[in-house]
Amino acid sequence: DVKVTQSSRYLVKRTGEKVFLECVQDMDHENMFWYRQDPGLGLRLIYFSYDVKMKEKGDIPEGYSVSREKKERFSLILESASTNQTSMYLCASSLAAHTVDEQFFGPGTRLTVL
Amino acid sequence: QKEVEQNSGPLSVPEGAIASLNCTYSDRGSQSFFWYRQYSGKSPELIMFIYSNGDKEDGRFTAQLNKASQYVSLLIRDSQPSDSATYLCAVKPYNTDKLIFGTGTRLQVFP
Repeated sequence: DVKVTQSSRYLVKRTGEKVFLECVQDMDHENMFWYRQDPGLGLRLIYFSYDVKMKEKGDIPEGYSVSREKKERFSLILESASTNQTSMYLCASSLAAHTVDEQFFGPGTRLTVL
Repeated sequence: QKEVEQNSGPLSVPEGAIASLNCTYSDRGSQSFFWYRQYSGKSPELIMFIYSNGDKEDGRFTAQLNKASQYVSLLIRDSQPSDSATYLCAVKPYNTDKLIFGTGTRLQVFP
């Protein structure tokens, strides 16, 4: 059974804090993704990684960075949290280069920035 | 024009009816198409995928793909209150491992 886990379900931080969101998958997937989900805006891709130490910007990378030092772990970093980064953050993983490369999602982290 | 468009709903259907969810996409080169279900407060889970024109059936669910018209739909037969959720359409463009998601359609099945 594919498992994608995220370090926290709920997180409350203050404006200006550095925030780390961790994601781990146990299926040896090459691809990992970070999304944020906001009402009316759907799932928006922040960053994508297709291999260790490789990353690609998504649609809304501003204010975020990522780290992928090991294949199973993909971290999202908010360098200086702001209130407009309050959102649900979802991590996903998938196999690479498959026609049907289903993305498996973690449970999500609801981040509130005060 | 959004890349993947869905009616936000809510779509309300009585228990036992057929629910029809639609999605249109703009990239003609798109290869694969996915339907995810997301319950309130939960993360999306895959229920169907399709990559060939026509219909694909899995239990009470049928996905339909028409590449010429650039739409994909999901039919849910014998709808149950437990089907009440938001359904996300996702499209895989050519030559990328990324998915483009629609904003989702909220389905309500009432007893």
